[in-house]
Amino acid sequence: GAGVSQSPRYKVAKRGQDVALRCDPISGHVSLFWYQQALGQGPEFLTYFQNEAQLDKSGLPSDRFFAERPEGSVSTLKIQRTQQEDSAVYLCASSQGDAGNEQYFGPGTRLTVT
Amino acid sequence: RKEVEQDPGPFNVPEGATVAFNCTYSNSASQSFFWYRQDCRKEPKLLMSVYSSGNEDGRFTAQLNRASQYISLLIRDSKLSDSATYLCVVSSSASKIIFGSGTRLSIRP
Repeated sequence: GAGVSQSPRYKVAKRGQDVALRCDPISGHVSLFWYQQALGQGPEFLTYFQNEAQLDKSGLPSDRFFAERPEGSVSTLKIQRTQQEDSAVYLCASSQGDAGNEQYFGPGTRLTVT
Repeated sequence: RKEVEQDPGPFNVPEGATVAFNCTYSNSASQSFFWYRQDCRKEPKLLMSVYSSGNEDGRFTAQLNRASQYISLLIRDSKLSDSATYLCVVSSSASKIIFGSGTRLSIRP
């Protein structure tokens, strides 16, 4: 079956623009995670969904970041009024279980804010 | 102090060598441990889970030392294709998951 897909793969935004990043998890995977990965660093946790419920959003860096998964499948990460420090790769991962289980990552969206 | 720490490397070793990395974690309540591999400009992929009793998968051996709060990864008979960044991952709850910054490994012919 298909793996985790993300779109767009690359996004260039001008400072102040809003962006929306999409994640299609593996079908049937209950858990979905969003991460932010800066160059030379490991992925940093942003938020976690179990089905449609956002159970943990403690990693979202500011209130400009918002994530949703309304039907428990596809998820969108929205960043409002983008800033240069938002430039990073945004990774989505899905899992059959919670954080204690193997996560399958999508290819990521590389966001560049100019 | 970071919650999960790794030596960033790079480790540059000849093909066929044995190489080992450690990763320390600060939360004694951590429950699940993994090693992921990440190739340049690619997504992370699970290499192996780390079990309390230690586990082996081919040329790879992972160990957990709860008393000293570290996990290790040993790669024997290294191949050129092992060149990658190895990410240590520690989870302490259903959603609490921390990645290390990664250790870069380069295998030379």
